[in-house]
Amino acid sequence: DIQMTQSPSTLSASVGDRVTITCRASQSISSWLAWYQQKPGKAPNLLIYKASSLESGVPSRFSGSGSGTEFTLTISSLQPDDFASYYCQQYNSYWTFGQGTKVEIK
Amino acid sequence: EVQLVESGGGLVQPGGSLRLSCAASGFIFSTYEMNWVRQAPGKGLEWVSYIRSSGSPIYYADSVKGRFTISRDNAKNSLYLQMNSLRAEDTAVYYCARGREMDNAFDIWGQGTMVTVSS
Repeated sequence: DIQMTQSPSTLSASVGDRVTITCRASQSISSWLAWYQQKPGKAPNLLIYKASSLESGVPSRFSGSGSGTEFTLTISSLQPDDFASYYCQQYNSYWTFGQGTKVEIK
Repeated sequence: EVQLVESGGGLVQPGGSLRLSCAASGFIFSTYEMNWVRQAPGKGLEWVSYIRSSGSPIYYADSVKGRFTISRDNAKNSLYLQMNSLRAEDTAVYYCARGREMDNAFDIWGQGTMVTVSS
């Protein structure tokens, strides 16, 4: 089974900050990685697919990069609506989520 | 509007059964792969099961294999999850999620239905 490890688990940041979340896979997953945003009491929302492709309707301040085993999600300028939890997901072999990163207000 | 709506959650005793449904609308359901994903209270996301557009193949997470059964009725635009031999650790919000065309990320999610396993 492929394990996904996200870091950090919690991140404190201010509006306007550049934020980076890292996701590591236990083996190579090529570019089969997605990022989701989830707000309390709501379903997850797809932000990025295939490691770096922006889902339609998602603001351009979100970007993804990486391949193989190391991936990052970057928010270029954190907005009030971005305080939420973020999950990576591999879909190279079945599907596995990272444990999540909560982005909090500093 | 593209939409998924889950139903069928509730309180069930350990060892009991429950059947979840997911009604799809706003897209051609029969052409999409579908999944169930769950989230225990205060925890992260866990993929549960997958079914191809045609109904086969089907995959399950090890944690539910042999107890849960995924199915679909393309004529009714509906996805199902039959859950048997339920355990306390199955307590979670269950989401149905659509697989993207051309890859397997999940692009549309339902609002979720809560399943509580407790005596």
